[in-house]
Amino acid sequence: QKEVEQNSGPLSVPEGAIASLNCTYSDRGSQSFFWYRQYSGKSPELIMSIYSNGDKEDGRFTAQLNKASQYVSLLIRDSQPSDSATYLCAVNFDSNYQLIWGAGTKLIIKP
Amino acid sequence: GAGVSQSPSNKVTEKGKDVELRCDPISGHTALYWYRQSLGQGLEFLIYFQGNSAPDKSGLPSDRFSAERTGGSVSTLTIQRTQQEDSAVYLCASSLATNTGELFFGEGSRLTVL
Repeated sequence: QKEVEQNSGPLSVPEGAIASLNCTYSDRGSQSFFWYRQYSGKSPELIMSIYSNGDKEDGRFTAQLNKASQYVSLLIRDSQPSDSATYLCAVNFDSNYQLIWGAGTKLIIKP
Repeated sequence: GAGVSQSPSNKVTEKGKDVELRCDPISGHTALYWYRQSLGQGLEFLIYFQGNSAPDKSGLPSDRFSAERTGGSVSTLTIQRTQQEDSAVYLCASSLATNTGELFFGEGSRLTVL
């Protein structure tokens, strides 16, 4: 069974520090990996996608993919209170349209 | 509009009634998904439409749930004989093509069944 695992948190990080969010997945055939942010009471929004091993940076966000170890991470540098949200990891297995979603990690940035 | 539009944003209904939820995807997006999210829970896949292909209905929880997509654009999710356990936020998302996970979500329809 294809699964995506995330620590539910909450993960508490002081403002200005680096927040590190992790996600593991079960299938080595996975092709594409996505991080979505969901504020409380709102719908998810895509913040990062990564398709190949290594790091991908976009502003304060860095996605890291290690297919051999089957994990994908999201780093948020210079964390701000506005980054407080639930972060959802989603994986596309076998180039299928079906995304498998993690349950999300709740991140709290403390001023 | 520029984004995915869902209506109603909020629906309160009595147990046993039927409800219809509507989704208008981003123009040009051929793929459309319906998800359900209960309070504090993750996303539960319901149904997927892609162009004129037969939809993937594998996530629909019971035969009380159905969905259609007319003209490859607007979609309607219908729940018949609603039950209290149907209470949740119903999210619609669209994407530009298949086999991408780059989904754009609407604001959701919050359904409360009394």
